[in-house]
Amino acid sequence: QQQVKQSPQSLIVQKGGISIINCAYENTAFDYFPWYQQFPGKGPALLIAIRPDVSEKKEGRFTISFNKSAKQFSLHIMDSQPGDSATYFCAARISNFGNEKLTFGTGTRLTIIP
Amino acid sequence: NAGVMQNPRHLVRRRGQEARLRCSPMKGHSHVYWYRQLPEEGLKFMVYLQKENIIDESGMPKERFSAEFPKEGPSILRIQQVVRGDSAAYFCASSPVDRDEQFFGPGTRLTVL
Repeated sequence: QQQVKQSPQSLIVQKGGISIINCAYENTAFDYFPWYQQFPGKGPALLIAIRPDVSEKKEGRFTISFNKSAKQFSLHIMDSQPGDSATYFCAARISNFGNEKLTFGTGTRLTIIP
Repeated sequence: NAGVMQNPRHLVRRRGQEARLRCSPMKGHSHVYWYRQLPEEGLKFMVYLQKENIIDESGMPKERFSAEFPKEGPSILRIQQVVRGDSAAYFCASSPVDRDEQFFGPGTRLTVL
């Protein structure tokens, strides 16, 4: 029930295209869903996050789409650039005191080709 | 405002030795989390601490691993009698009170020979 399933494992997108990464969860108690970007040898960096009271959140070229009934959420990167090549992790969290650990997906390695 | 700081960045230990990993949270953050990342895998939660209190240690192995966040100084993750399977990247994250965001440090990469 604590799992977050992420797909695809790897993704190659042409420069200027749209990159889409999907995540699904089982535990309906999750109420905070962040996405992290990680470059090799670095720590994860918070990219964008959403709560289930909205269906979409956009920040620059990054958009989260959230489907509460399907228990799925996705990251869309518009106009993908070579600098976006990194590993992306979705995560989920329950916002109760003492229960605030992040449960991560297994990651998607994104490569943007010229 | 400096980010989350971790040291050392790289640590090499022989089997049976002890490893001490340090984490200084961002200024004003009182919540600290430790995660472990095995090669080519996602991050796994280990422990959540506040000053002088362990809030949730459900992800930490029962033996050889311990964590603390004293009133003064950094949070410490301690691994006693390391084995090769402990080789991983260990990340610390911090968050302020009543906020969702967790900010990660650069990690400590532990190699056990």
